[in-house]
Amino acid sequence: GNSVTQMEGPVTLSEEAFLTINCTYTATGYPSLFWYVQYPGEGLQLLLKATKADDKGSNKGFEATYRKETTSFHLEKGSVQVSDSAVYFCALSRETSGSRLTFGEGTQLTVNP
Amino acid sequence: EPEVTQTPSHQVTQMGQEVILRCVPISNHLYFYWYRQILGQKVEFLVSFYNNEISEKSEIFDDQFSVERPDGSNFTLKIRSTKLEDSAMYFCASSPGHPLGYEQYFGPGTRLTVT
Repeated sequence: GNSVTQMEGPVTLSEEAFLTINCTYTATGYPSLFWYVQYPGEGLQLLLKATKADDKGSNKGFEATYRKETTSFHLEKGSVQVSDSAVYFCALSRETSGSRLTFGEGTQLTVNP
Repeated sequence: EPEVTQTPSHQVTQMGQEVILRCVPISNHLYFYWYRQILGQKVEFLVSFYNNEISEKSEIFDDQFSVERPDGSNFTLKIRSTKLEDSAMYFCASSPGHPLGYEQYFGPGTRLTVT
């Protein structure tokens, strides 16, 4: 079946540091890939997405590239801010409409001033 | 910007009681979902709903659970006889579907506490 594996957390960085959160997946076919973010006390917000191989999703300075050859979708940001402190979830869905999302374990990011 | 809303934000109930969690999806969306997140664990899929019927459900979604879209705007999750292990955050989500996009938009969640 489909599965998503994220790097173990928590991750603690200083402001302006470079961020990478690793995500790899197992799926049949050509899934769509997503990063969701959950700020403290809030629900899940879509951060970025990619729907086919070599697509790059980007939003708010975050980027992730759909790598089919390595089945990965690593999240990166060049310079993190304190306000980026949150839990980040990698997720996939099958290429058909209405498919369930399969989530990774989530990675807690804390950015210190 | 349109958003998914959920009520109540927090529900406390006793074991064995029935609860109904309510959601209002984004108005032009076609697919509706329920997920849950037990504290400290990953988000788990429960059920998806399309065209007034369940399109997919997980092994978690047993006979104690049911979903309904009673009036064309609300989407509800009912747990018939709650157990302690049903304590979790329950998220509703909706999706516009192809060709507008596959991403799912989540509500803020309902925290269910079963005592």
